[in-house]
Amino acid sequence: SQTIHQWPATLVQPVGSPLSLECTVEGTSNPNLYWYRQAAGRGLQLLFYSVGIGQISSEVPQNLSASRPQDRQFILSSKKLLLSDSGFYLCAWSVRDLDTDTQYFGPGTRLTVL
Amino acid sequence: GESVGLHLPTLSVQEGDNSIINCAYSNSASDYFIWYKQESGKGPQFIIDIRSNMDKRQGQRVTVLLNKTVKHLSLQIAATQPGDSAVYFCAENISKAAGNKLTFGGGTRVLVKP
Repeated sequence: SQTIHQWPATLVQPVGSPLSLECTVEGTSNPNLYWYRQAAGRGLQLLFYSVGIGQISSEVPQNLSASRPQDRQFILSSKKLLLSDSGFYLCAWSVRDLDTDTQYFGPGTRLTVL
Repeated sequence: GESVGLHLPTLSVQEGDNSIINCAYSNSASDYFIWYKQESGKGPQFIIDIRSNMDKRQGQRVTVLLNKTVKHLSLQIAATQPGDSAVYFCAENISKAAGNKLTFGGGTRVLVKP
């Protein structure tokens, strides 16, 4: 069966510090991968998605970036965090090339920027 | 703005009663819809999905209804239990579109009263 991991689970960082969040998927090959951000009590905002290694599509302009160095690894980064970057970051995956578009989510990372 | 929205941000329901969560979508080209459940501090969990060639689909204690004429989606939970307390999101997409991207609604919080 497929599983998706995110770490760290929680993170407190000062403004201006760098960020690196990691997501890995097990039990599947060649997935689509996604990064979402969720503000407290709000819906999900798609930040990035990737259909393959080295292929990143950005959905919103921001000071975040994403990379996919391996097939089942997706990384969210920032060189300098802003207060507005605080939130709940969720990674998700979906199967490519099949007649299903369901996305499956990881446990999330709670980021607090002080 | 989002093309998927919810009528009620908070729904209080008595334990044992049935719950109905509503969702409106605006993209008539959308042909795949999903309901997710998100408990506090966790990632969204897939509940049930439906394609546009159907108007009803049933799962365990849950039923999704799709009315394409008025672009309306609903989730019915039978015999609501305390464990059903969570935020519920609807999501839509267009099958086989690039990246299998989903558009999420703002969410409805369901509170189950004992």
